[in-house]
Amino acid sequence: LAKTTQPISMDSYEGQEVNITCSHNNIATNDYITWYQQFPSQGPRFIIQGYKTKVTNEVASLFIPADRKSSTLSLPRVSLSDTAVYYCLVGDGSSARQLTFGSGTQLTVLP
Amino acid sequence: DTAVSQTPKYLVTQMGNDKSIKCEQNLGHDTMYWYKQDSKKFLKIMFSYNNKELIINETVPNRFSPKSPDKAHLNLHINSLELGDSAVYFCASSPTSRGADTQYFGPGTRLTVL
Repeated sequence: LAKTTQPISMDSYEGQEVNITCSHNNIATNDYITWYQQFPSQGPRFIIQGYKTKVTNEVASLFIPADRKSSTLSLPRVSLSDTAVYYCLVGDGSSARQLTFGSGTQLTVLP
Repeated sequence: DTAVSQTPKYLVTQMGNDKSIKCEQNLGHDTMYWYKQDSKKFLKIMFSYNNKELIINETVPNRFSPKSPDKAHLNLHINSLELGDSAVYFCASSPTSRGADTQYFGPGTRLTVL
């Protein structure tokens, strides 16, 4: 069963750029890559989604190489409030198939 | 307005009891989900319903039974609760059943089985 793989945890300091990479070696042609953010005692919430190359919104950027076997979520100039768990999810754009969220990456931003 | 709501927020009960968690979404979405999150933050899908029909049924004990009376509601009933059922249960919804659709999560129900 194909799955996503992310680092368990990362530490950063305020003001730095943080890059979190997700590996999805068995990604299929119709699959999209979506990242979610989860704060303690809350449900996950959508951050960004992409299919290939680069996507940017007001919160983050998503870089996807040509082979699409990995993706990198980039958070510019993080603050303490960006401390959260970040999940990478791969889902089919035309069917109900999706891969599990897994354990995500715990990002801790230090002052 | 709360888009996806769950009740109760906390549930403490004894082993062997039967309990239910309710979920409602007011987003007009066709698809709803139940997820289980363990203490290590592992988030695993349990069920998915599309327009009241079960479309995803992962390997979950038969003691867990989802029910969708209409497409805005998806409830989870758990029989004969066990210690290992202690977790946070999240309900979510999405516009369609496509795996790439953005999912909107509820606040979670923390279930503690004693």
